[in-house]
Amino acid sequence: EAGVVQSPRYKIIEKKQPVAFWCNPISGHNTLYWYRQNLGQGPELLIRYENEEAVDDSQLPKDRFSAERLKGVDSTLKIQPAELGDSAVYLCASSLRDRFYQETQYFGPGTRLLVL
Amino acid sequence: AQRVTQPEKLLSVFKGAPVELKCNYSYSGSPELFWYVQYSRQRLQLLLRHISRESIKGFTADLNKGETSFHLKKPFAQEEDSAMYYCALRPANAGGTSYGKLTFGQGTILTVHP
Repeated sequence: EAGVVQSPRYKIIEKKQPVAFWCNPISGHNTLYWYRQNLGQGPELLIRYENEEAVDDSQLPKDRFSAERLKGVDSTLKIQPAELGDSAVYLCASSLRDRFYQETQYFGPGTRLLVL
Repeated sequence: AQRVTQPEKLLSVFKGAPVELKCNYSYSGSPELFWYVQYSRQRLQLLLRHISRESIKGFTADLNKGETSFHLKKPFAQEEDSAMYYCALRPANAGGTSYGKLTFGQGTILTVHP
């Protein structure tokens, strides 16, 4: 199994330009997460989806960031316009709760964004 | 609010030596603690979780609620253990927006020399 798929793997843009990231979770995983990882830091949650519903977007900078998960499968994260401080690795993760409510998050390879 | 602190950014040991990666946390409720690992050019993956009480690749970690710590230990380090290690916390048995929210530490780069 391919696991969580993300594209593109790398993106270089100039500031004020828009950018979009795509994530395909593991088949059957109804929970999807977007994290941002700044250089030298651990991942920080941006948004969590349960199926197609965004149930926690409190950390998403809504003035420039948006996300969607149509049909509860693939998801896109968009930044418009991008700022220099948005340079980071954007990670997508998906998970499935088992019958004991134990959950393991599986991470994608990430998209490394550089804003010039 | 929940917080995870990994005091060491870098940790170097020689092959065969014991290794301990430190993790301290702050959280007012009941936490679930995890260790994630990222090997070179690979994706972030779960190494172990405290509720499983298992040893993975020779690593163990004990949750110490009194000291609010969850240190990762291995008695004899191997070169293939070289990687970035992240400690993470999640509220246990939490519903709503708290569910699933992992809070990560800054990570520790472990280098095991031959």
